[in-house]
Amino acid sequence: KNEVEQSPQNLTAQEGEFITINCSYSVGISALHWLQQHPGGGIVSLFMLSSGKKKHGRLIATINIQEKHSSLHITASHPRDSAVYICAVGRGAGTASKLTFGTGTRL
Amino acid sequence: NAGVTQTPKFRILKIGQSMTLQCTQDMNHNYMYWYRQDPGMGLKLIYYSVGAGITDKGEVPNGYNVSRSTTEDFPLRLELAAPSQTSVYFCASSYKGSNTEAFFGQGTRLTVV
Repeated sequence: KNEVEQSPQNLTAQEGEFITINCSYSVGISALHWLQQHPGGGIVSLFMLSSGKKKHGRLIATINIQEKHSSLHITASHPRDSAVYICAVGRGAGTASKLTFGTGTRL
Repeated sequence: NAGVTQTPKFRILKIGQSMTLQCTQDMNHNYMYWYRQDPGMGLKLIYYSVGAGITDKGEVPNGYNVSRSTTEDFPLRLELAAPSQTSVYFCASSYKGSNTEAFFGQGTRLTVV
């Protein structure tokens, strides 16, 4: 079992739909990252969070530390949101801290 | 603000050839990373560095080497290319480890034939 599991693997939505992508992890973490990989291949950071909820425009990220679960929501989805969304968890501290990545959700 | 610049974007190598993937960042980040991304898999850490002169192996270091002579640059060297090294490679940097925002290069698509 992977330490970071995302669902669904693929997602098709109509323009304007509310979308949810889920990320579950099985290890202790220091932070959780949501990344977006564009069709051209580049990766950009959307959110980094260790508790609660963050919002940026139409994107909302939440995390429940006790349940080891995070969700990324896109309100009123648009064709330009088409991308692969990647969940990554930060583990360790100091010079040993590293990211472990999920396999991504293709929207 | 250039961020993380990675070159080349595409490359085809023959088995046994060598090459260097270049990565430079202008954000004065201490931490730099090299990842590879294979179809259906999450990014895997090849090597990382926590500062100039300091490098360490990640999950999949075999067949690769790195150096970090300056804060800005973190090149990845493939000495004897093998088909198993066909992948997309990403360089990334962050100010202070996995608790800080990560910035990625545009990726290098490498094919070994």
